[in-house]
Amino acid sequence: EPEVTQTPSHQVTQMGQEVILRCVPISNHLYFYWYRQILGQKVEFLVSFYNNEISEKSEIFDDQFSVERPDGSNFTLKIRSTKLEDSAMYFCASSGQGKYGYTFGSGTRLTVV
Amino acid sequence: GENVEQHPSTLSVQEGDSAVIKCTYSDSASNYFPWYKQELGKRPQLIIDIRSNVGEKKDQRIAVTLNKTAKHFSLHITETQPEDSAVYFCAAPPYSGGGADGLTFGKGTHLIIQP
Repeated sequence: EPEVTQTPSHQVTQMGQEVILRCVPISNHLYFYWYRQILGQKVEFLVSFYNNEISEKSEIFDDQFSVERPDGSNFTLKIRSTKLEDSAMYFCASSGQGKYGYTFGSGTRLTVV
Repeated sequence: GENVEQHPSTLSVQEGDSAVIKCTYSDSASNYFPWYKQELGKRPQLIIDIRSNVGEKKDQRIAVTLNKTAKHFSLHITETQPEDSAVYFCAAPPYSGGGADGLTFGKGTHLIIQP
C-alpha cells in the first residue's frame, strides 16, 4: 500500500533556529497538507497546497511558516525561527482525486529546547 | 470557521459491548465527515467517512450516522475488541468552494476496552 513518508522522525532544535520538515506524498496525489498535534491534544490544520500554491491556511500558519514543493516529489514545511510552543508532532498528508481521503505520514516529532 | 465538538472525552466499555462517540459541527455547508483512529504514538488513520448526501454508512463493526438538520454525526462500534482501544477523532471541513480544504478535528475520545 502506498505511504506518505516523513523525515526526520524526530528533530531536536534550539529556540530561534530554522527547521525544515520533509515529506514525500503518494506519487499520484494532488492535494497536500500539514497538520500538527501538540502532545495529548487534537490534530490542528496548518496549511493545504494544491496546484503548486497554498490553497488554505489556518491562523496558526503565520509568517514564520512556509511550504514548498521544490521538485515535484518532496513537500516541505519550514519554520523560520522556532519557539518553545512549536514543539509538537507534525503530520504531512496527501490525497488524490477525492480531496478529503487523506493518508497521513508517520509524523515528525519536533522538540524545541 | 468550522467548530467541531466531540463527546465524551473518555469512554470505557466492556469487551463485546457497543461504543458510541458523538460530534457536532457548526458549518451547515460542510459535506464530508471522517473518523480517524489514532493509536499511541502513531499517525491518525481513516476508519470510516460519510458524505452529506447519505444518512448512514456501515463497514463491518463500524458505522457512522449523520443528521444534517441537527448538525451532528456519530461513530458506532459494535462487539468491541481490545484492539479497538485508541483515541478516535471526528473531523469536518469548512466549505471553501474549491482547492484543498483543511479539516477541523474534534478533541478526541479515548476509548478503553475493558477485558
